[in-house]
Amino acid sequence: DAMVIQNPRYQVTQFGKPVTLSCSQTLNHNVMYWYQQKSSQAPKLLFHYYDKDFNNEADTPDNFQSRRPNTSFCFLDIRSPGLGDAAMYLCATSGDVSFSNQPQHFGDGTRLSIL
Amino acid sequence: AQSVAQPEDQVNVAEGNPLTVKCTYSVSGNPYLFWYVQYPNRGLQFLLKYITGDNLVKGSYGFEAEFNKSQTSFHLKKPSALVSDSALYFCAVSPPSQGNLIFGKGTKLSVKP
Repeated sequence: DAMVIQNPRYQVTQFGKPVTLSCSQTLNHNVMYWYQQKSSQAPKLLFHYYDKDFNNEADTPDNFQSRRPNTSFCFLDIRSPGLGDAAMYLCATSGDVSFSNQPQHFGDGTRLSIL
Repeated sequence: AQSVAQPEDQVNVAEGNPLTVKCTYSVSGNPYLFWYVQYPNRGLQFLLKYITGDNLVKGSYGFEAEFNKSQTSFHLKKPSALVSDSALYFCAVSPPSQGNLIFGKGTKLSVKP
């Protein structure tokens, strides 16, 4: 089945130690999104890629970066994690940003803990 | 500002009874409307969407949603709840020609035997 896969499912890092979360998709979708979700709150969009075009949300801290080396993979880099960055990070895809009537497809997330 | 409201933090229902999870929105134009479900430690799963046409939309797992344009509402319904329906439900709105989703805060549904 075509899907969105996030690795690892659980990640523990130390305060201030850089960490990278990964997402891959077999849907061949143009758009990939990264969301942060804290304790049963709504997901908060950090940024998205439309093909190779990077679109950052205005309130996303500079501490968060992303890379998309090809259509299938996208990475979330947290340069210096703080305690407030402990959360579930969700990756999602959609076919095209202009096709806003299409649902986004979510991975199962990576739960990040900060020691 | 564009927003989605889910007025209930939690909805409690007995198994076999009908359920309703409420959603209203404040978005300009004719947005597209979605419901997602999230089980513990899982991602969001798409349930159903309203694009145009019939105001009653049917989706996965026996869920349906009723669109009401005058009330700008999109309530999620199910005629007979199951214990396995217990989860977190998110209403989301996508403004036309924009790829972003505006989420409600979520409603926790608890179905007791």
